[in-house]
This record gives sequence, C-alpha cells and structure tokens, in this order.
Amino acid sequence: DGGITQSPKYLFRKEGQNVTLSCEQNLNHDAMYWYRQDPGQGLRLIYYSQIVNDFQKGDIAEGYSVSREKKESFPLTVTSAQKNPTAFYLCASSPPTGSTSTDTQYFGPGTRLTVL
Amino acid sequence: QKEVEQNSGPLSVPEGAIASLNCTYSDRGSQSFFWYRQYSGKSPELIMFIYSNGDKEDGRFTAQLNKASQYVSLLIRDSQPSDSATYLCAVFSSASKIIFGSGTRLSIRP
Repeated sequence: DGGITQSPKYLFRKEGQNVTLSCEQNLNHDAMYWYRQDPGQGLRLIYYSQIVNDFQKGDIAEGYSVSREKKESFPLTVTSAQKNPTAFYLCASSPPTGSTSTDTQYFGPGTRLTVL
Repeated sequence: QKEVEQNSGPLSVPEGAIASLNCTYSDRGSQSFFWYRQYSGKSPELIMFIYSNGDKEDGRFTAQLNKASQYVSLLIRDSQPSDSATYLCAVFSSASKIIFGSGTRLSIRP
C-alpha cells in the first residue's frame, strides 16, 4: 500500500525542547518537502530535498533542520530557536524526474504540533 | 501583490448548483497549475492539474486556464455537501517552485 506517512499525528512540545517529526514515503519519489500551515493560511515552504544527502532552505527555514539520509525518509526537527512553532506540519513528495507529473506534489496526513 | 491570489471566502453555494473558484497568479512564466481540496483538520488532496490553456474536465470538476490573463479557475458542477472544504490553488513557477494560494473556503448549503 503506497503512500506518505507522517508521525506522530499530534505532538506537544514544552518550551525549549527540540522535537522531530517523521515523514516516510514508499512511492519511489525523489523530491520531498516540508510545509507549515497556520490557521486560515496557505502553505509555507520550510525545507525541500531533490535527492538523497542534499536539501535546500525554503521561505521559513529559521528554527528548523532536516536530513535526507535515505530516499524514503525526510525528518524535520523543530528546534528551540523556532519561537512560534505551533502549527500544522505537512510533508509532501513529487514523482521522479522524467515522469509526466514530476512537478505534482502529494501530501502526507500531517502532524499537528502544539507548544505548551 | 501576492504571487498566487484567491478570495478567502466563504463562498456559499446551494446544493446542486455550480461552484466557481478563482485564482490569479503573478509569474507569467508559470507552467503548471493545481487545485487541492482540504477538509478541516486534514491534509490537502490533489483534485485537478492543468498545463494548457483551455478547459480540462474530470467528472464534476472542470479546471480552466487562461495564461494570457494569468487566471485559473475550478468549476464544480452539481455541488454536494461533501464538496464543502477549502480549495487551494497552486502554481509551479518559472523558479521551479510550487507557490500555494491561501485558499477559498467553500460551503454547500442544503
């Protein structure tokens, strides 16, 4: 059963803590993305990765870090430097280069992070 | 000017009518255009994509693209209560990035 999974579904963080959000895909997609969505807002790009061991900052990368050690996995760490981390975090991936829909993004179910 | 603009709504449409959702974009070099549906508390789900000028139909959904006017729309025929959601317009820009609009909230009233 192919798809994108994110865990946990809900996450609570205390002030000053780092937390890591998991994103896994078994779609053989090359590119993976992390977005943040705030209530009533659109999606803002945090980080993205086109290939293994390479990633680029998006529009709001400050206070976040990522790694891409495996094609299937793109975890996001929300560090204590992120001052307002409460949001809905969405992971997405795109089909391989050369496919007919390489610029189409498919989303995982999301992780809702709340700072206590 | 925002790169991708949508009316935030809510847009209220009676059941069975046609819902028309609109989106404008600023990058004239944009090549690909997407519509996502997002139910409250859920992640966006791709419902349509369009690359060429004109109309593209898929079931009750029709996407319309006018590159000269930098305008893309989504029509939903025979609207159902289950169509009530936020619809996100997304544009693949000339900088090879997908830019999302803030979404239009659609409400189908029985």
